[in-house]
Amino acid sequence: AQTVTQSQPEMSVQEAETVTLSCTYDTSESDYYLFWYKQPPSRQMILVIRQEAYKQQNATENRFSVNFQKAAKSFSLKISDSQLGDAAMYFCAYDAGGTSYGKLTFGQGTILTVHP
Amino acid sequence: DAGVIQSPRHEVTEMGQEVTLRCKPISGHDYLFWYRQTMMRGLELLIYFNNNVPIDDSGMPEDRFSAKMPNASFSTLKIQPSEPRDSAVYFCASSLMAAVAKNIQYFGAGTRLSVL
Repeated sequence: AQTVTQSQPEMSVQEAETVTLSCTYDTSESDYYLFWYKQPPSRQMILVIRQEAYKQQNATENRFSVNFQKAAKSFSLKISDSQLGDAAMYFCAYDAGGTSYGKLTFGQGTILTVHP
Repeated sequence: DAGVIQSPRHEVTEMGQEVTLRCKPISGHDYLFWYRQTMMRGLELLIYFNNNVPIDDSGMPEDRFSAKMPNASFSTLKIQPSEPRDSAVYFCASSLMAAVAKNIQYFGAGTRLSVL
C-alpha cells in the first residue's frame, strides 16, 4: 500500500519569509498525482497545488511552488512571502491514478504557524 | 456553484444512537468520497462512489458504518449504533474525473461528530 510521510509535525515562519514543508511517499507506480491541501482553522480542505508525476516541470501557483523529485519520491512545498493567512495545517496527498483514480492517501499533516 | 454541502455541521449524540451524515456534491461531479479525520489516524478514505455506485468501501471500519448514494445529488453516511470511538470529523468530497478537471477533489466543510 502507498504511504505518505510528512516528517515535520510543526513548522513556523516569519511573515514575508519563505518556508518549505517536506513530504515523501512510497509507491511502485510510475504515473501518479500528488497534491498539497491546506486546512485552516475553519476546517475546510482547500487545494493548494497539484503535480502530475509524468511532468518533470515543478508546479507553481502564485506564491506556492513544489520541488518534485521523482527518483527520491519527494514532494516538498515552498511558500514564498508568507502571509498570516497561510497559517494552517498542510497535508500532502497521493493519488495512484489508474483503477485507483481519485483515491487519495494523505500524510499526517504539518501545522504551519506564521509570526507577524 | 455553492460547493460541496454537508449537514449537520456539528452532531452530538449518545452512544448507541443512530447517526446520519449528509452530503450534497457539486452539481455535475461524478465521484463522491467520504473521509474521516481523527488525531490518531489522520485523514482516512472510508468509501467512494462513481456515478452513484460504490466502488471501494475497504476503508469502512466495520458493519456499523454504511453509505448510500441514491442519486447524483445526495449521499448519506450512517453509523448504527454509534460508539464514542466514532467521534471524529467526517468529510465529503466530490470530483469530476474528466481530464480537464485534473481529478481535483473539492471538500465540504465537514461534520464534527461527538458520541458521548
